[in-house]
Amino acid sequence: DIVMTQSPDSLAVSLGERATINCKSSQGVLYRPNNKNYLAWYQQKPGQPPKLLVYWASTREPGVPDRFIGSGSGTDFTLTISSLQAEDVALYYCQQYYNIPWTFGPGTKVEIK
Amino acid sequence: QVHLQESGPGLVKPSGTLSLTCDVSGDSINNNHWWSWVRQPPGKGLEWIGDIYHTGTTNYNPSLKSRVAISVDKSKNQFSLRLRSVTAADTAVYYCARHVSVPVEAWFDPWGQGTLVSVSS
Repeated sequence: DIVMTQSPDSLAVSLGERATINCKSSQGVLYRPNNKNYLAWYQQKPGQPPKLLVYWASTREPGVPDRFIGSGSGTDFTLTISSLQAEDVALYYCQQYYNIPWTFGPGTKVEIK
Repeated sequence: QVHLQESGPGLVKPSGTLSLTCDVSGDSINNNHWWSWVRQPPGKGLEWIGDIYHTGTTNYNPSLKSRVAISVDKSKNQFSLRLRSVTAADTAVYYCARHVSVPVEAWFDPWGQGTLVSVSS
């Protein structure tokens, strides 16, 4: 299984400031024939299902605000919220779709400082 | 707009079988996507259970494979989950989700609202 880890477990950021979430996979998720990283990011608010934010590590889902920026390649990835808004308080998960079983990171909780 | 809705008993006895159905609207289950079940124990992270293609081809998480069966009913545009020999460790919110194919299975979007299934006597 590809094990996904995330850091930090939680972070508190002031409104308007940058939040950075890291995700690491136990093996590379870059598929060299198409040069794509098989990684997605989700946001989950309390009592709600996860919502897709980013796929292919850096492609924003239509309708997702451009303050959400995915980056990275290989085994190391980052989700950056460039200017934190109150509505961004949530849990964030990364997920690899390189190999079965599809696996998720343990989540990072983002709060307002 | 694609919408998924889980249904089924919210309480299952230990050693019993958990059965859930996911109704899909706004998309045909015959289209070129896979259809997945994912669960989330209270206060914990997400675990993929398995998925199915409209042909009936399935993939399962090896950690649950011996106890899981996923089936599809194309006439009702729905797919189902059966998990047998449940224990308290199977208590979780169960989500169904469309597993977007590009063409291989990729990201999950959209998700159902989820249904809490508790295993207790």
